[in-house]
Amino acid sequence: QVQLQESGPGLVKPSQTLSLTCTVSGGSISNDNYYWTWIRQPAGKGLEWIGRIYGSGSTNRNPSLKSRVTMSADTSKNDFSLKLSSVTAADTAVYYCARVFRYGDYVDYWGQGTLVTVSS
Amino acid sequence: QSALTQPRSVSGSPGQSVTISCTGTSSDVGGFNYVSWYQQHPGKAPKLIIYDVFKRPSGVPGRFSGSKSGNTASLTISGLQADDEAHYHCCSWGGSYTLVFGGGTKLTVL
Repeated sequence: QVQLQESGPGLVKPSQTLSLTCTVSGGSISNDNYYWTWIRQPAGKGLEWIGRIYGSGSTNRNPSLKSRVTMSADTSKNDFSLKLSSVTAADTAVYYCARVFRYGDYVDYWGQGTLVTVSS
Repeated sequence: QSALTQPRSVSGSPGQSVTISCTGTSSDVGGFNYVSWYQQHPGKAPKLIIYDVFKRPSGVPGRFSGSKSGNTASLTISGLQADDEAHYHCCSWGGSYTLVFGGGTKLTVL
């Protein structure tokens, strides 16, 4: 059974950088049948796709966030990370990491989500 | 990349059927058969219930079905049960190596 767990600060100050890591167990991030993604959900709103990364390190980002998003993967630790720079209150959300089956582009496993609040 | 359009809310009585629409464009929903649907109960992570427009993962009841016509995908839930009350989100391959979600629909079981 694949499990994903987000970790990182729950409070970030405006203009600073939000940093999260997703640790994967029960499956390898190097498996090319899947890619790994970040999704966020502001309170009471819908889901927003942030970006994706393969275990090889190849990435794609949501065009609306592209300039602020950096993603990386560490196959030795079997985890992947998200950095979102210059945050504002609008970036306050529950952040999910997830696994996506590449031949269908659907999320089959989700992390439990972590709330990140941007506030001074 | 714009979010897919879903109704904000739908409702139905136990035993009835409801359909939730998800409208995109020819660049996402209409252009690919990569539409998925997720059920989300309060405080929980979403759960996959439909993928590839109409396929159901193991363990998802046959009461949940998906379809697509043109730029609009639909999720139908038949034989409504109290536990179906949740938010439902559609998602599509958005082209250019992106995914796009809908705004989510709250289903109320009356």
